[in-house]
Amino acid sequence: EAGVVQSPRYKIIEKKQPVAFWCNPISGHNTLYWYRQNLGQGPELLIRYENEEAVDDSQLPKDRFSAERLKGVDSTLKIQPAELGDSAVYLCASSRVINSPLHFGNGTRLTVT
Amino acid sequence: KQEVTQIPAALSVPEGENLVLNCSFTDSAIYNLQWFRQDPGKGLTSLLLIQSSQREQTSGRLNASLDKSSGRSTLYIAASQPGDSATYLCAVRVVTGNQFYFGTGTSLTVIP
Repeated sequence: EAGVVQSPRYKIIEKKQPVAFWCNPISGHNTLYWYRQNLGQGPELLIRYENEEAVDDSQLPKDRFSAERLKGVDSTLKIQPAELGDSAVYLCASSRVINSPLHFGNGTRLTVT
Repeated sequence: KQEVTQIPAALSVPEGENLVLNCSFTDSAIYNLQWFRQDPGKGLTSLLLIQSSQREQTSGRLNASLDKSSGRSTLYIAASQPGDSATYLCAVRVVTGNQFYFGTGTSLTVIP
C-alpha cells in the first residue's frame, strides 16, 4: 500500500509570510494527525482528525495556524504569518483504527528566515 | 500529563553486538506502545506495536517488551548491523485524550 504522502519536502520562507503543507494519508485511514518535531525532540501533536472532524486541536496555536481536512481524506496545514520559532519539521501521520499502528510521512522541513 | 523518557540519548556499539534500548513512561493507563526508527531527514518508520494487554512483540531481529505496571518498555536488537544506525523513538498512546506521547529518542550508531 502507498504510504502517507506529504508535500513539499522542504520550504524556506521569510518571517511574516504564509506557508501551507499538504498531506494525503494511507487509503482507508480515518484518523489523521499533524505533528511538529523540533531538532532532537520527539514529535508533538498539533491536531488530530477523525474523518472530517478535528477532535483534538488543543495544542494548535490558533492565532496563526489553521488546518482543514475536506471530505475526510487529504489535509492542509497553514501558518499565517510565520515566525522564526516555527522552523521545524511538520509531520503528518495516519492510523486505521484506535489500536492500529501510526504511520508517518517523510515530513516537511520548514525554515523561517 | 504523560512523560516518556528514553535512556541513553545516544549509543555507539560495534557491529554484531546485541543491544537494548529503554523507554519509560509515567502513566500506566495506555492503549499501546509503539517503537519507531527515524533516519536523518526522514519521517518515523513503525517497527513494533505492543497492545497494553501484551507482554512482547517480535519482528525479525527486533523484540520489544512491555511492563505496563512498572511503566517500562525495552527494544532488543540482535546482531546489530550498520544499517540499524538511526534514532529510535518510543510512543505511548494514553487512554485519557487518546493522544500519543513521544520520547526524545536514542541515537544509535553501529560501527562496522
